[in-house]
Amino acid sequence: AQRVTQPEKLLSVFKGAPVELKCNYSYSGSPELFWYVQYSRQRLQLLLRHISRESIKGFTADLNKGETSFHLKKPFAQEEDSAMYYCALSVPGTYKYIFGTGTRLKVLA
Amino acid sequence: DGGITQSPKYLFRKEGQNVTLSCEQNLNHDAMYWYRQDPGQGLRLIYYSQIVNDFQKGDIAEGYSVSREKKESFPLTVTSAQKNPTAFYLCASIGQGKTEAFFGQGTRLTVV
Repeated sequence: AQRVTQPEKLLSVFKGAPVELKCNYSYSGSPELFWYVQYSRQRLQLLLRHISRESIKGFTADLNKGETSFHLKKPFAQEEDSAMYYCALSVPGTYKYIFGTGTRLKVLA
Repeated sequence: DGGITQSPKYLFRKEGQNVTLSCEQNLNHDAMYWYRQDPGQGLRLIYYSQIVNDFQKGDIAEGYSVSREKKESFPLTVTSAQKNPTAFYLCASIGQGKTEAFFGQGTRLTVV
């Protein structure tokens, strides 16, 4: 069965420090992977997707098929990055769309 | 104003009663989803529907039922068979290409 794992429930970093939110997946083929973010009192929204290879708000994520990982990175954390982050997987050929357990990022002043 | 709407925002029910949560979208999306969000467990997929009159079980479908009679609507019924129904429920929709899921604001259900 497909699964998305985010090993850290909470990650605290100081402002200006690098951030890495970990995501590992289990899927035998080539998945479509996404990062979603939920800021306080806002709806869950898309941050970025691996297929577009873009940088959003300074965040990037690289798909590593060998390690089945899709970690989210930012070189210098900002206080406004504090939020809940979810890694998601879309199973190709289906409309099944699953999420990980989420990581709460706290950026300290 | 396009979007996805869940109602009500808060819902209280007595144990043993069925309750239906509403989800409506005007984004013309084919696929709709229901997730349950619990602290420390992330979003768990309950049911999803790719097209009208068709839906599939997700990972935690037991105790829930859905219908998809219209493209715009995907109501979720939490039945009395659901052992732990108190939770935050999120509805989402996805358009063709599956590039992005759009979420509602959620319904917090409390069963007493």
